[in-house]
Amino acid sequence: ELKVEQNPLFLSMQEGKNYTIYCNYSTTSDRLYWYRQDPGKSLESLFVLLSNGAVKQEGRLMASLDTKARLSTLHITAAVHDLSATYFCAVLNTGNQFYFGTGTSLTVIP
Amino acid sequence: GAGVSQTPSNKVTEKGKYVELRCDPISGHTALYWYRQSLGQGPEFLIYFQGTGAADDSGLPNDRFFAVRPEGSVSTLKIQRTERGDSAVYLCASSSTGHLTDTQYFGPGTRLTVL
Repeated sequence: ELKVEQNPLFLSMQEGKNYTIYCNYSTTSDRLYWYRQDPGKSLESLFVLLSNGAVKQEGRLMASLDTKARLSTLHITAAVHDLSATYFCAVLNTGNQFYFGTGTSLTVIP
Repeated sequence: GAGVSQTPSNKVTEKGKYVELRCDPISGHTALYWYRQSLGQGPEFLIYFQGTGAADDSGLPNDRFFAVRPEGSVSTLKIQRTERGDSAVYLCASSSTGHLTDTQYFGPGTRLTVL
């Protein structure tokens, strides 16, 4: 079974700081997705990464994929309070099943 | 336009009862997914529909769980003889074609509590 691990699980950071969330997965895949979930809300799609070396950026968030290392990163630049949420990565296997990580709960402190 | 909707938003039932959870995908979306999310965990894949057919139901935990999508739009997840361990938020998502580049749009979820 494909396993997806995220770290850290909890992250508290000050506004204006930079940080990276890591997503490791256990089997070969070149299809990696990032989602955001606000408390009590559903998931919102952030990025779709479909090839080795793919990099996507939206605002203060940038995601990248290294399929050889089976690693994706979500980099946060100059964090703001509005980014506080739980971030999930998900890997798509050959059977079109999504395997989600356990999530990283981010709190940005003013 | 309307997003993915799910009803009910909350469902409390007793152990052993039967429940149905409904998902209305975005109009025209052919792919529909069901997930289960337990507290503090990421969503767990249950089943994927392409049109009316279940393209992959390997995530259903056992034969108490069943899902249908008879007309290729609305889907119903059915749980028989509910157990306390079934308590979770059940999420539905749809995408335009099911292609891997498609964005999945998630519904608000149904919170199921089995007493």
